[in-house]
Amino acid sequence: DIQMTQSPPTLSALVGDRVTITCRARQTIDSWLAWYQQKPGKAPKLLIYKASSLASGVPSRFSGRGSGTEFTLTISRLQPDDFATYYCQQYKSSHSFGQGTKLEIK
Amino acid sequence: QVQLQQWGAGLLKPSETLSLTCAVYGGSFSDNHWNWIRQPPGKGLEWIGEINHSGSTSYNPSLRSRVTISVDTSKNQFSLRLRSVTGADTAMYYCARGKSHEPILIGSYFYYYYYMDVWGRGTTVTVSS
Repeated sequence: DIQMTQSPPTLSALVGDRVTITCRARQTIDSWLAWYQQKPGKAPKLLIYKASSLASGVPSRFSGRGSGTEFTLTISRLQPDDFATYYCQQYKSSHSFGQGTKLEIK
Repeated sequence: QVQLQQWGAGLLKPSETLSLTCAVYGGSFSDNHWNWIRQPPGKGLEWIGEINHSGSTSYNPSLRSRVTISVDTSKNQFSLRLRSVTGADTAMYYCARGKSHEPILIGSYFYYYYYMDVWGRGTTVTVSS
């Protein structure tokens, strides 16, 4: 099982800010990484797959980078709808998720 | 547009068996992998396991001894059974489609990598005596 570690656990920001969430894998996962957004009481929503490919219908202010063991999710200009919890997930070897990053309004 | 509709018993007693089913509407059932994921209250996501249309399964090692995932291709449905539940199994359970990239040839074998692109709405399961 490949352990995934996200940082920070909580992030406070303002509408219009640029924010970055980091995800690290204990061993290389090449680019087999996805990012999800989850709002309270809702199922996760796919944002990014293969580290940097934007899922259908996802706004272009979301972007993903990285390969190997270190990855980032950046939201370029925060909108009110973006305040949620974000998870990374590796799918190189089975599946495992990071512990999540809660993005809060400052 | 693919939709997943899931159902099953929401309240169980310790030692009972959790049973959930997920129906797939739209899209191809045979070209994808079908997954179960759970989320305890206030916590993160845990992958439980997956199945493909031919019935080949893969499970989270931490749950493997208690989990069975099965498929009914005639109904485009797949199911989860988790035996001997305890309070630690209380969670929201999600079904999800695993969408595969093009297979990668490594040596003599093709490898498939897939991410969860469509999710069910979730079923709350509570285990309590």
